[in-house]
Amino acid sequence: NAGVTQTPKFRVLKTGQSMTLLCAQDMNHEYMYWYRQDPGMGLRLIHYSVGEGTTAKGEVPDGYNVSRLKKQNFLLGLESAAPSQTSVYFCASIVGGRRRVSGQETQYFGPGTRLLVL
Amino acid sequence: GNSVTQMEGPVTLSEEAFLTINCTYTATGYPSLFWYVQYPGEGLQLLLKATKADDKGSNKGFEATYRKETTSFHLEKGSVQVSDSAVYFCALTPYSGAGSYQLTFGKGTKLSVIP
Repeated sequence: NAGVTQTPKFRVLKTGQSMTLLCAQDMNHEYMYWYRQDPGMGLRLIHYSVGEGTTAKGEVPDGYNVSRLKKQNFLLGLESAAPSQTSVYFCASIVGGRRRVSGQETQYFGPGTRLLVL
Repeated sequence: GNSVTQMEGPVTLSEEAFLTINCTYTATGYPSLFWYVQYPGEGLQLLLKATKADDKGSNKGFEATYRKETTSFHLEKGSVQVSDSAVYFCALTPYSGAGSYQLTFGKGTKLSVIP
């Protein structure tokens, strides 16, 4: 198993450009998440998905859109990049499910995408 | 809302020293508690977890006990190694019937261990 993978690893954008970050998992997990990590801020949830075709907003959703067309993929889009979106982006997934079962709440993280917006 | 507060770093220790990183939380109900570790240039990895009061999570010599009476989940290790140098995040996921399992993170504590 590759686990959770993210592409690209690093990207430089100019203000106003658009891009899509791809997250893929091969663990058949139901739930997927996008976080951003900024110095001194920890990780903050951008959007998440509890199943194919569903998405929901997290703590800091503004300026981002997401799609979950396939269970194994979760895409994060920036329509018009801003310098404030310079960050490291992490994707995560869990087994998920509506019944709380011990052990299924552990999130597995990808290696991250470093984004610089000039 | 839910929140996690952990001691601010950076923390610098000599090899074989004792480590404590404090973590307290605010949440309703019975959250699950986690410590994640991030090594330089990598993503986060689960270090240990506890899902109910008085549970002790342990892994790689690290331990943390879920203390509901003090709403704490302090991370400890008796003898740190240079290879433990990393950023440590305390986190919680609230009990939720809908099971969205959103994680709330502390800001992270950077640990540097010197030989």
